[in-house]
Amino acid sequence: DTGVSQNPRHKITKRGQNVTFRCDPISEHNRLYWYRQTLGQGPEFLTYFQNEAQLEKSRLLSDRFSAERPKGSFSTLEIQRTEQGDSAMYLCASSLELGTFGREQFFGPGTRLTVL
Amino acid sequence: SQQGEEDPQALSIQEGENATMNCSYKTSINNLQWYRQNSGRGLVHLILIRSIDREKHSGRLRVTLDTSKKSSSLLITASRAADTASYFCATGFGSSNTGKLIFGQGTTLQVKP
Repeated sequence: DTGVSQNPRHKITKRGQNVTFRCDPISEHNRLYWYRQTLGQGPEFLTYFQNEAQLEKSRLLSDRFSAERPKGSFSTLEIQRTEQGDSAMYLCASSLELGTFGREQFFGPGTRLTVL
Repeated sequence: SQQGEEDPQALSIQEGENATMNCSYKTSINNLQWYRQNSGRGLVHLILIRSIDREKHSGRLRVTLDTSKKSSSLLITASRAADTASYFCATGFGSSNTGKLIFGQGTTLQVKP
């Protein structure tokens, strides 16, 4: 399967614990994105990378959140000191960005986080 | 924050009928994209229309874009039960700008067999 993969698919944790999610993008894609989706809402942008550089972070990404993309391949999203409000589906997407008008993004299945 | 507003929020039709969903947005864009999300599955890209285009077709899908009104519509013709899903519009700003997509809240489509 050459699509975007995410691990784990589900994570249940207690408030105050740290969690880390992993995303493996489509191999030739240079851009990788993280979004968060809560029930009944569309995905909300968190951050994105072009190769290994993190180019933009949303205001939603508090200092408890950190993302990395070492060597421009897979990416990790870590949430420290989780809060119940962090419960959501965390989506990763990748794209091969060329040209002026942008390209479609390919999404992984997501990691569903439940903070008790 | 979400830029797009979609209308209707929910739509229920019979198999074989057409479904139309509308999306409005607030700022200038380089592209507008439509995605589908089934329960239990991830987001699947359906179609991308550039800001310089007014209409685009892909199979049973037809998308229009009116940048003067900051609005788009998605038409699904001859709907099937398998089209039952949530549909999201997302605005994009091009490779030279931010790469992020801003999604609307979605339209839930139910196609009854």
